[in-house]
Amino acid sequence: QKEVEQNSGPLSVPEGAIASLNCTYSDRGSQSFFWYRQYSGKSPELIMFIYSNGDKEDGRFTAQLNKASQYVSLLIRDSQPSDSATYLCAVNGKGYGGSQGNLIFGKGTKLSVKP
Amino acid sequence: DGGITQSPKYLFRKEGQNVTLSCEQNLNHDAMYWYRQDPGQGLRLIYYSQIVNDFQKGDIAEGYSVSREKKESFPLTVTSAQKNPTAFYLCASSIGATTLFLYDTQYFGPGTRLTVL
Repeated sequence: QKEVEQNSGPLSVPEGAIASLNCTYSDRGSQSFFWYRQYSGKSPELIMFIYSNGDKEDGRFTAQLNKASQYVSLLIRDSQPSDSATYLCAVNGKGYGGSQGNLIFGKGTKLSVKP
Repeated sequence: DGGITQSPKYLFRKEGQNVTLSCEQNLNHDAMYWYRQDPGQGLRLIYYSQIVNDFQKGDIAEGYSVSREKKESFPLTVTSAQKNPTAFYLCASSIGATTLFLYDTQYFGPGTRLTVL
C-alpha cells in the first residue's frame, strides 16, 4: 500500500516566522512531488512541484526533497495570515494503477499563522 | 479564460437517486480525474481518463460511473449504489501522456459539494 504521511497539525506560527511542513512517502520509486494549498471550503491549488534532490525556491516558498530519506518538505518564509490553510503533499505514483500522472495525496497539514 | 469548471457548486440528493456532476476544461488537457474528499481526509481517486473514450477505475470506483466522449468533458454519475455519497467532489486535469510523467501536473476545478438528504 503506497502511502503519503503528513502531520495533521494544526501547526501554529507567528506572522513573519518560517513555517515548515513535512511529508514522508513509502514508495521509493516515486519521482515527482507536489505541494497544494487548500483554503477551507475551496479546492486545492498548486504551489509548486519538485523532482530533483535538493531545494527548489519560488518566492517565499521552498520545497526540499530527500529521496534517500523519502522525505519532502515545504518551507514558507515570512508567513502571513493569508497563508493559513491546509497544505497537501502529493506524490506521483508512476505505475500505480498502471497509469502515469496518478497522484497519491497525504491528508494534509493545517497551518495557522497568527498576526 | 482557461480553466476547469464544475457544476453545480452544491447538490442535494435524495436516497436512491442518481446524480451527475459536470466537469469541463478548456486547457486542451488529455487527462482528467475525479477525486472525493471527506472531512479531515486526503483526496481519494474515483476514476481517471488519459484519453477520449477510455477511462480507468481508481481506488474507490464502486457506486460511481463516468464517460469521456469529448476531450473537454468528464462527467461523474453518483449512483444509488454508492452507500455514503456525501462528500466534496473534485475534478482535475493534466496534460497527460504527451508530456513526461515527471512533469505531469494536475490542476483542480472548484469542486461540487454533494449532500444526501
